Amino acid sequence: QVQLQESGPGLVKPSQTLSLTCTVSGGSISSGDYYWSWIRQHPGKGLEWIGYIYYSGSTYYKPSLKSRLAMSVDTSKNQFSLKLSSVTATDTAVYYCARGPATFGVVKPEFDYWGQGTLVTVSS
Amino acid sequence: QSALTQPASVSGSPGQSITISCTGTSSDVGGFNYVSWYQQHPGRAPKLMIYDVSHRPSGVSHRFSGSKSGNAASLTISGLQAEDEADYFCSSYTTSSTLDVFGTGTKVTVL
Repeated sequence: QVQLQESGPGLVKPSQTLSLTCTVSGGSISSGDYYWSWIRQHPGKGLEWIGYIYYSGSTYYKPSLKSRLAMSVDTSKNQFSLKLSSVTATDTAVYYCARGPATFGVVKPEFDYWGQGTLVTVSS
Repeated sequence: QSALTQPASVSGSPGQSITISCTGTSSDVGGFNYVSWYQQHPGRAPKLMIYDVSHRPSGVSHRFSGSKSGNAASLTISGLQAEDEADYFCSSYTTSSTLDVFGTGTKVTVL
């Protein structure tokens, strides 16, 4: 059974960098059959896909966040990570990591496994 | 910013059937058979209920079914149960580069 678990600080000061890690268990992050995503949900709001990464390190970021966003993968630890710089209160959200299938090169927004989510609050 | 439009709320009595719509454009819902549906209970992560318009992942109840017509997809819950009370989100593959793939979300209430 594949499981994903987010970890990282729950409180970040404005203008600082939000850093989260997702640890994958029960399956290898090195499988080329999947891509690995970060999705966030502002309090009481909908879902926002902010980016994804392949095991190879190839990434795609939401254009509106691209200048502040960096994702990386550590296959030796079966983890992938998110860094969001220059955060403001509008970055306060529950952050989820999730797995999606890489089907014939098509990146479908089809997320079959999710982490439990971690609330990150941006406040001084 | 959500790319797909859903009704804010839908309600039904136990045992009834309800349908949630997800309206997009020919660049997303209408152009591809890559629509997914997620169920989210309060404080929990979303759960994949339907993928590729009408396919159910292993373990998902047969009471959940999906379909598509033109630029709109639908999720039908038959034999509504108290445990179905949750938020539901659709998503669709899109030609847009914005990663705006999710619907606005629908709160399902079991009366």
